[in-house]
Amino acid sequence: QQQVKQSPQSLIVQKGGISIINCAYENTAFDYFPWYQQFPGKGPALLIAIRPDVSEKKEGRFTISFNKSAKQFSLHIMDSQPGDSATYFCAASLSGGYQKVTFGTGTKLQVIP
Amino acid sequence: SQTIHQWPATLVQPVGSPLSLECTVEGTSNPNLYWYRQAAGRGLQLLFYSVGIGQISSEVPQNLSASRPQDRQFILSSKKLLLSDSGFYLCAWSVQGKSYEQYFGPGTRLTVT
Repeated sequence: QQQVKQSPQSLIVQKGGISIINCAYENTAFDYFPWYQQFPGKGPALLIAIRPDVSEKKEGRFTISFNKSAKQFSLHIMDSQPGDSATYFCAASLSGGYQKVTFGTGTKLQVIP
Repeated sequence: SQTIHQWPATLVQPVGSPLSLECTVEGTSNPNLYWYRQAAGRGLQLLFYSVGIGQISSEVPQNLSASRPQDRQFILSSKKLLLSDSGFYLCAWSVQGKSYEQYFGPGTRLTVT
């Protein structure tokens, strides 16, 4: 009920291409869906987040698409760059009081020149 | 602006030795604080969280413990390390009431030999 399933586990994309990472959740009560970016040897950094009342949120080259009926959300990285090479984690949480954040297992993205 | 510090950055300890990892947050007051462990190439496992001084909740039973002696200080300890305690330890903070939006520190790489 609390799981967030993330795919693919790893992804290789050519520079300039679109990187797509998918996540699926089970708990329909989740109402906050963040994405984190983690470079090797560093802590994860909050990248972008979405609430289920919108179907899409865009920040620069990063876009979250949200499908409430399918209980799925995805991260799209447009015009992928070598500097985007990192591990990306999706997550889901409730937003009232203290709530545990449920993380996906991560996707290692490599953008090749 | 808020800043989170962790030290040491790396640590190599023999089995059976004690452990003390420290995390401090600057630029905010009364934050929620979290300890996570990340095994190599794996996701994030929540170990402990704290909503205030002296208030610690454990997510996973193990030989680790946490303490919060001051508002913005969070310490992870062990009396006797096991090989399985090796990993990347991450401290995170969030604003009270916004536990769904967490900000991570740089991490401590612990190797138990």
